[in-house]
Amino acid sequence: NAGVTQTPKFQVLKTGQSMTLQCAQDMNHEYMSWYRQDPGMGLRLIHYSVGAGITDQGEVPNGYNVSRSTTEDFPLRLLSAAPSQTSVYFCASSDLRGLGANVLTFGAGSRLTVL
Amino acid sequence: TQLLEQSPQFLSIQEGENLTVYCNSSSVFSSLQWYRQEPGEGPVLLVTVVTGGEVKKLKRLTFQFGDARKDSSLHITAAQPGDTGLYLCAGGPFVGSARQLTFGSGTQLTVLP
Repeated sequence: NAGVTQTPKFQVLKTGQSMTLQCAQDMNHEYMSWYRQDPGMGLRLIHYSVGAGITDQGEVPNGYNVSRSTTEDFPLRLLSAAPSQTSVYFCASSDLRGLGANVLTFGAGSRLTVL
Repeated sequence: TQLLEQSPQFLSIQEGENLTVYCNSSSVFSSLQWYRQEPGEGPVLLVTVVTGGEVKKLKRLTFQFGDARKDSSLHITAAQPGDTGLYLCAGGPFVGSARQLTFGSGTQLTVLP
């Protein structure tokens, strides 16, 4: 099925460990983004990309790195995990061609626990 | 910084009842989207409204964009257990090539059979 695929679904890390959350989309969308979702705080933008080779910071970028080497893939790297990064992470993509609203297609999420 | 406030934060009702969820801001948005999220899944778009005063209907769901483009409401008629989920509103800016969305904190709706 076409859409946004995230892996892994669940991950437990110890403080200080590093890991990469994978995100792939097969809709040829230029725009890709990473959000974190915490109780009562909605979705907060971590990093985003408007095309291969272009990335930018969102609202809460500290502690996370991204790269966009292809249109399809947008991995999120945690360099040294901290308990404050315990959250559910969502990757989302959209087609920004035209002047319409930025309508996002989300992945199913990755639940990360940092001990 | 644009902020969107949703109310209520939690809502638990009986099957067959009507309800309204509100999304308010002091900022003006070019568009307003509503998403529904079920447990263990990502949000899924329900509707996009782009004109002040616009009303859209999706079966038993009615969405309205405020005349001043600062607020929106979602009304559900005769709620069913299948309507249970987290409802998120998201506002689109007038400027910025990436058209970053601002999300509200969500309304958790539970419809009891």
